[in-house]
Amino acid sequence: IAGITQAPTSQILAAGRRMTLRCTQDMRHNAMYWYRQDLGLGLRLIHYSNTAGTTGKGEVPDGYSVSRANTDDFPLTLASAVPSQTSVYFCASRVGTGPTDTQYFGPGTRLTVL
Amino acid sequence: DAKTTQPNSMESNEEEPVHLPCNHSTISGTDYIHWYRQLPSQGPEYVIHGLTSNVNNRMASLAIAEDRKSSTLILHRATLRDAAVYYCIRRGSQGNLIFGKGTKLSVKP
Repeated sequence: IAGITQAPTSQILAAGRRMTLRCTQDMRHNAMYWYRQDLGLGLRLIHYSNTAGTTGKGEVPDGYSVSRANTDDFPLTLASAVPSQTSVYFCASRVGTGPTDTQYFGPGTRLTVL
Repeated sequence: DAKTTQPNSMESNEEEPVHLPCNHSTISGTDYIHWYRQLPSQGPEYVIHGLTSNVNNRMASLAIAEDRKSSTLILHRATLRDAAVYYCIRRGSQGNLIFGKGTKLSVKP
């Protein structure tokens, strides 16, 4: 079982370019999340999806969009990248809706916007 | 959302116990406390969670104060592989995790 896979592992991107970060899970979890982690800080929520077909905005959604066409995939798109979006991006999934559910994280995508 | 407060860093010697504190003075009565850790260059991973009573699993123990305003993650015998950033976390309204800066644990051989 792979768990959560993210692609690419790392990317250097010119400002103004469009970029999609891919996230796939094979655990059939309902909820999925995108977080960003800036140097020396904790993770912050960008967008979330409680189930296929629904998405919502997190703490820092500006400049990002997501879609959830099916249970397994949750891509994150930067429509026009800016240097402030340089960060490490983590995708996560969670089964169920209870207060004790565990989240599982992918290995991350390190994105540098120049 | 209520905050959690942790020391920025701690050091431990290998094979000694480690006590990682967390203050969560504004936590509500039904909020669980979750602990995750992040090994270098990896995504966070679950460690343990609890509500009111002390909890144990194969990775760690969690001691929760009677007033629930603080908790302590206990690693009984630290190993070099336990060097990581440890996060004391509350859940957000969408089931997301609310991260602070965490405590960076260094383990010396």
